[in-house]
Amino acid sequence: DTEVTQTPKHLVMGMTNKKSLKCEQHMGHRAMYWYKQKAKKPPELMFVYSYEKLSINESVPSRFSPECPNSSLLNLHLHALQPEDSALYLCASSQEFIPGSLSWLAKNIQYFGAGTRLSVL
Amino acid sequence: TQLLEQSPQFLSIQEGENLTVYCNSSSVFSSLQWYRQEPGEGPVLLVTVVTGGEVKKLKRLTFQFGDARKDSSLHITAAQPGDTGLYLCAGADNTDKLIFGTGTRLQVFP
Repeated sequence: DTEVTQTPKHLVMGMTNKKSLKCEQHMGHRAMYWYKQKAKKPPELMFVYSYEKLSINESVPSRFSPECPNSSLLNLHLHALQPEDSALYLCASSQEFIPGSLSWLAKNIQYFGAGTRLSVL
Repeated sequence: TQLLEQSPQFLSIQEGENLTVYCNSSSVFSSLQWYRQEPGEGPVLLVTVVTGGEVKKLKRLTFQFGDARKDSSLHITAAQPGDTGLYLCAGADNTDKLIFGTGTRLQVFP
């Protein structure tokens, strides 16, 4: 099973709403990632969790709040978003995230979920 | 900042044609990956190239890593409509985060 499951598939929210995106994997991976992909653009990294601890925050605004309750789950809590936050939010997981280790990328395939398409009105 | 520039940005071809997509950077990468992303889906890894000059084949797809490990190419022989999608190269930057290329959107018409 190489599946990363994201829910919901689509989400429409107002600027005052609070919502959460969920991501789940059962591959025993200890690294999980959130990416944001705007229309016709490549994915951009937002957060990296390694062994359930936040390892990287790419200067993401605080209206996005990640949470890793256990090694299989990754949430992204959304509050007071702006219309420009509308995008496809992708979750990924890999065996580990070990910055500085030789050939880390080649040894740690990232598996992506299908994403949540978010529209902020 | 390490950047990965892909060309062409868009490609529309007829079934049966050959094509090449390029991924270029001014920085050296320890390895590069190629992904394909279909509408409504996440990217799916096609290949990882690690050694400068390396060539890998995946059925009708041929991937090459430049000798200096700054560039890569993807060649598709006899393209089929099922090859349609967004092709992304990606590499780990100097802090080991995955960064994606600018993307090449391929449309293969029957």
